Amino acid sequence: SYVLTQPPSVSVAPGKTATISCGGKNIGTKGVHWYQQKPGQAPVLVIHSDSDRPSGIPPRLSGSNSGNTATLTISRVEAGDEADYYCQVWDSGSGVIFGGGTKLTVL
Amino acid sequence: EVQLGETGGGLIQPGGSMRLSCAVAGFPVSDNYMSWVRQAPGKGLEWISVILRGDTYYGDSVKGRFTISRDSSKNTVYLQMNSLKVADTAVYYCASHYCSSGSCYIDYWGRGTLVTVSS
Repeated sequence: SYVLTQPPSVSVAPGKTATISCGGKNIGTKGVHWYQQKPGQAPVLVIHSDSDRPSGIPPRLSGSNSGNTATLTISRVEAGDEADYYCQVWDSGSGVIFGGGTKLTVL
Repeated sequence: EVQLGETGGGLIQPGGSMRLSCAVAGFPVSDNYMSWVRQAPGKGLEWISVILRGDTYYGDSVKGRFTISRDSSKNTVYLQMNSLKVADTAVYYCASHYCSSGSCYIDYWGRGTLVTVSS
């Protein structure tokens, strides 16, 4: 089955740029979606289809996808960005696949 | 306004059965792919099941024990869980999908319902 690999944690200082990777075999051929989850809350879609932002998501959050790695980039990081982030792809034969999640800590 | 509301969680003994319901407002459940996603305490998201137009799929950890279904007249999606294990303890989320160009993502989530499997 298809596996998505994320780093367990990423730390960044306020105002800097955070990058969260999502690795998978030939992931560049799939649509990748990203969710943000804060403690005690349901996840929220922040990026879909590799790089599209839903309404209400600031342009500081961006996504890219090529080769074997998709990336979520958060520019000018704020304290409110501290959360868990999950990547996701769709497999037509088996359904939804999530990455293991990355905890973003704002120093 | 779209709303997904899960009910049916609670405390259940190992080996028992439980049915979760997800009442949907804002769109017909028959028109959308609908999933159940769970999150064990302190763990990541785990997708467990999806119902498509006519097909259903399950994650390996629940295959043969859980069944997803929907009732269009009640606009509700269900998750029947049998032979429950301690490892099934989690918050269970109902979710709806938007699909385009061969890929689907979750556009709406419920608030989740906690299932605790313990003796």
